[in-house]
Amino acid sequence: SQTIHQWPATLVQPVGSPLSLECTVEGTSNPNLYWYRQAAGRGLQLLFYSVGIGQISSEVPQNLSASRPQDRQFILSSKKLLLSDSGFYLCAWRPNRAYGYTFGSGTRLTVV
Amino acid sequence: QKEVEQDPGPLSVPEGAIVSLNCTYSNSAFQYFMWYRQYSRKGPELLMYTYSSGNKEDGRFTAQVDKSSKYISLFIRDSQPSDSATYLCAMSEGTYKYIFGTGTRLKVLA
Repeated sequence: SQTIHQWPATLVQPVGSPLSLECTVEGTSNPNLYWYRQAAGRGLQLLFYSVGIGQISSEVPQNLSASRPQDRQFILSSKKLLLSDSGFYLCAWRPNRAYGYTFGSGTRLTVV
Repeated sequence: QKEVEQDPGPLSVPEGAIVSLNCTYSNSAFQYFMWYRQYSRKGPELLMYTYSSGNKEDGRFTAQVDKSSKYISLFIRDSQPSDSATYLCAMSEGTYKYIFGTGTRLKVLA
């Protein structure tokens, strides 16, 4: 069966520090991968999606970047965090457009 | 106008009640629709996935899509306290991007 792993679960980082969040999917190949951010009282905002290794599409210009170095690995990064980067970050995958997303357990990031 | 509108609630119902959760949308090209349940501080869990119009049933859950009215619903029968969560709708034209509602908080009172 397919599983998605996301870590860490909680992170507190100072302003200006770097960020690296990792997501891996097991039990499938060539998944579509997504990074979403959920702010308090707001909907899920799509940040990046990837349909293959090295293929990244950005939905919102901002302080973040994403990379897909391996088929089932998706990384969200920042060189210098801002206070506004705080939020709940969710990785998701799906095999193709005929299916819904499966989300990871999320990372709660607080920038202080 | 937002592409997807969802009442934030909270919606409080007694245990055993039928719950109706709704979303409206403005993009007539949407044809894939999903409902998610999200417990506090957890990732969303896919409940229902439907294509185009019509009904889909899975256990106590029924999803309805009315494309002519641009309106989708999720019904929960025999609601339980464990159903207390935030319910998110999401929809897509069929590309890689889904648009999510902001979620409705549901409280089922024992």
